[in-house]
Amino acid sequence: DAGVIQSPRHEVTEMGQEVTLRCKPISGHNSLFWYRQTMMRGLELLIYFNNNVPIDDSGMPEDRFSAKMPNASFSTLKIQPSEPRDSAVYFCASSLARDSNQPQHFGDGTRLSIL
Amino acid sequence: AQSVSQHNHHVILSEAASLELGCNYSYGGTVNLFWYVQYPGQHLQLLLKYFSGDPLVKGIKGFEAEFIKSKFSFNLRKPSVQWSDTAEYFCAVRAYSGAGSYQLTFGKGTKLSVIP
Repeated sequence: DAGVIQSPRHEVTEMGQEVTLRCKPISGHNSLFWYRQTMMRGLELLIYFNNNVPIDDSGMPEDRFSAKMPNASFSTLKIQPSEPRDSAVYFCASSLARDSNQPQHFGDGTRLSIL
Repeated sequence: AQSVSQHNHHVILSEAASLELGCNYSYGGTVNLFWYVQYPGQHLQLLLKYFSGDPLVKGIKGFEAEFIKSKFSFNLRKPSVQWSDTAEYFCAVRAYSGAGSYQLTFGKGTKLSVIP
């Protein structure tokens, strides 16, 4: 059974460039979450979707960040334009349902470095 | 807003030593509690969870955690650590955040280094 799949695993790019992170949740899971992990702030929830609909995006740091979920098997997190302070590990997670007793399953993360 | 505090940033133990990692949360309502582990270079994995019932929860790899409601704590324990337990451990709390939604909040993590 494939877990949550994220791509790319690593991305290094120059500031000002557009960055797109991708996530494929576990098949059948209807909740999807995007997290950011930094040394200073630990793990932060950026946004989560339920049945492809964004439910809570209060964690998105600013307008440069956007997330979409066009269908049940794919989501993107986009940063445009990117800045050095966006450097972090970005995790995607999915679960069977938003508010039931189901844990979240995490992908391997995308390590993003903005130069 | 709910918050999660993990007291120790980095813990270094010798093999066979006992482990206790602290986790406290601030939220007055019903919570679900989790411990996740992140081995070097790997993704987050669920170690154990508490939803209701027996406050002493047993997880994988010999880990356990005790929910003490009066102390708002969910400390992780293991009687005898191994070198392979070297990882970062995250406590997480899920609670109702209003408007029919739940939020999972993570602590900043505790890095555990086990010396052979």
